[in-house]
Amino acid sequence: EMQLVGSGGGLVQPGRSLRLSCAASGFTLQDYALHWVRQVPGKGLEWVGGIFCDSGTTGYADSVKGRFIISRDSAKNSLFLQMNSLRTEDTALYFCGKDLTPGGLELWGQGTLVTVSS
Amino acid sequence: DVVLTQSPLSLPVSLGQPASISCRSSQSLVHSDGNTYLNWFHQRPGQSPRRLIYKVSNRDSGVPDRFSGSASGTDFTLKITRVEAEDVGLYYCMQGTHWPYTFGQGTNLEIK
Repeated sequence: EMQLVGSGGGLVQPGRSLRLSCAASGFTLQDYALHWVRQVPGKGLEWVGGIFCDSGTTGYADSVKGRFIISRDSAKNSLFLQMNSLRTEDTALYFCGKDLTPGGLELWGQGTLVTVSS
Repeated sequence: DVVLTQSPLSLPVSLGQPASISCRSSQSLVHSDGNTYLNWFHQRPGQSPRRLIYKVSNRDSGVPDRFSGSASGTDFTLKITRVEAEDVGLYYCMQGTHWPYTFGQGTNLEIK
């Protein structure tokens, strides 16, 4: 069974850093793209950023550009989100996701909660 | 960035009645490969989104045939022929044609 399992969320102070992980099982991170999507509790979905599995090319939402970095490790079959200079408005449930076909975002992890507060 | 505008944002529907959600794109979603990567997702409280429809009108495996998707230019529609209790929750359109991917604001379907 194909599965994504996110981890690494928690409570962090504004200005600090946090690193999220997303472990893949049942498939390898070879094709198409991986994504991070976040959801403020009670609000809608916001695409945070993504990475093309073959080239490693990344893209980011303007709200996180310059602060967040997406990477992947093929050996660990995992996706990562390095979040720096965190702000209170970054508080959200963070989902990792995978395109199994172009533009599909079919597979989602369970979400990991990040709370930015002093 | 592509802006997807959903309507209505709140949709109270009686059991057994039809429902329709609109998603209007600010620009064409036709990819250079000829495909239109417009998807529909359903999210129940406390759960991850689940994709229902891909490439405008294709149902994902296990999705009941009461769900259908269609398009007219840059206007996209999700229809449910007869709403059942399990259909409550949030519905999102999402485009995967252009980076960044973008989502509609979400439509909250509830039983009247």
